[in-house]
Amino acid sequence: QQKVQQSPESLIVPEGGMASLNCTFSDRNSQYFWWYRQHSGEGPKALMSIFSNGDKKEGRFTAHLNKASLYVSLHIKDSQPSDSALYFCAVSIGNYAQGLTFGLGTRVSVFP
Amino acid sequence: DMKVTQMPRYLIKRMGENVLLECGQDMSHETMYWYRQDPGLGLQLIYISYDVDSNSEGDIPKGYRVSRKKREHFSLILDSAKTNQTSVYFCASRGQESSYEQYFGPGTRLTVL
Repeated sequence: QQKVQQSPESLIVPEGGMASLNCTFSDRNSQYFWWYRQHSGEGPKALMSIFSNGDKKEGRFTAHLNKASLYVSLHIKDSQPSDSALYFCAVSIGNYAQGLTFGLGTRVSVFP
Repeated sequence: DMKVTQMPRYLIKRMGENVLLECGQDMSHETMYWYRQDPGLGLQLIYISYDVDSNSEGDIPKGYRVSRKKREHFSLILDSAKTNQTSVYFCASRGQESSYEQYFGPGTRLTVL
């Protein structure tokens, strides 16, 4: 069964700083990788996806994928207080029945 | 705009009472999910529904059942609620595209006294 592990559990970042979130997964057949963000009192929302090895940049967010190393990461540049949230890594092997497997999350706190 | 709704948003029940949590989506998505979220435990999958009357247990189905009689509506039922079912419950739906993106509702905070 797919296992998705995230580190660190929590992260404190100064405003304007860089936040780096890590995620490892166990199934080498994994194909689809998502980062979700959940603000307090809300449901998780998809932040970005990455499906091919390498980097993908969307604004201040950059995702990195290395399937051979079973590793995906998210970097938040120029962190803002509004980036304070719980971030989930989610992985799918492309099995219709199973969908996404979520990690436990990394809590990011950005202080002014 | 794609939307998943949940009702009620907050609910307080006594142990042994029945609970009905409701979820709707306006995207005609076939697949829907119920999760619960507890501190430090992430999102735990309770049930999956692949379409009307086509439901499958997730990782923690014990104490729960579901009903899906219309594609846009998915209910979670707790028969005789227990205090350890106090949690935040999220419904999600999955788009038809192959990217497996899930859309989540705002959640229902359930307290069982």
